Amino acid sequence: QVQLVQSGAEVKKPGASVKVSCKASGYTFTSYYIHWVRQAPGQGPEWMGGINPSGDRTSHAQKFQGRVTMTRDTSTSTFYLELNNLGSEDTAIYYCAREKYDNDKTDAFDVWGQGTLVTVSS
Amino acid sequence: DIQMTQSPSTLSASVGDRVTITCRASQSIRTWLAWYQQKPGEAPKLLIYKASNLENGVPSRFSGSGSGTEFTLTISSLQPDDFATYYCHGGYIFGQGTKLEIK
Repeated sequence: QVQLVQSGAEVKKPGASVKVSCKASGYTFTSYYIHWVRQAPGQGPEWMGGINPSGDRTSHAQKFQGRVTMTRDTSTSTFYLELNNLGSEDTAIYYCAREKYDNDKTDAFDVWGQGTLVTVSS
Repeated sequence: DIQMTQSPSTLSASVGDRVTITCRASQSIRTWLAWYQQKPGEAPKLLIYKASNLENGVPSRFSGSGSGTEFTLTISSLQPDDFATYYCHGGYIFGQGTKLEIK
């Protein structure tokens, strides 16, 4: 079945970086956009950015400019999110999500990873 | 930047009720709107995409409508499994959520 399986929880100190992975299976890896969404405790989801099906173009929310990198490894069908210069406000569950395709882009996310908790604490 | 405003933030209802949640965009997003259901400890689940299209496997009691800046999610007859938090999502911006509680 279609799945996105993410890496395990991380604890980081302020100023450090974190890299979260998301392994895709059950579908054609190179045919869908993958997005990253985070959710701070008790808050709603927040879109961080996405990578296109061919892996050569990314887009991200302005607030993460200069801090976020999204990549993929086609040999292992795995996507990566790296976030630098972490602060306490980055404590959240980080999700990868596949964008639904219905004869065209839909801007909707139909398959989600299980989430990765990133805790930033000194 | 686009802002998405949901109302109400909390909604109390009973099994069998018909409920409607509203989402307003600060500028037109045509029909680029999705609705998600989220339960504690779980990832969001897609219910509706492109404003009115029902996602595969989602019960037909869920429906969406609207275009431009005003959108609604309607649940025609609440079931016990429907008590959760609902988010709209347009222009890559999520609403603040509506928590649907048992009355």
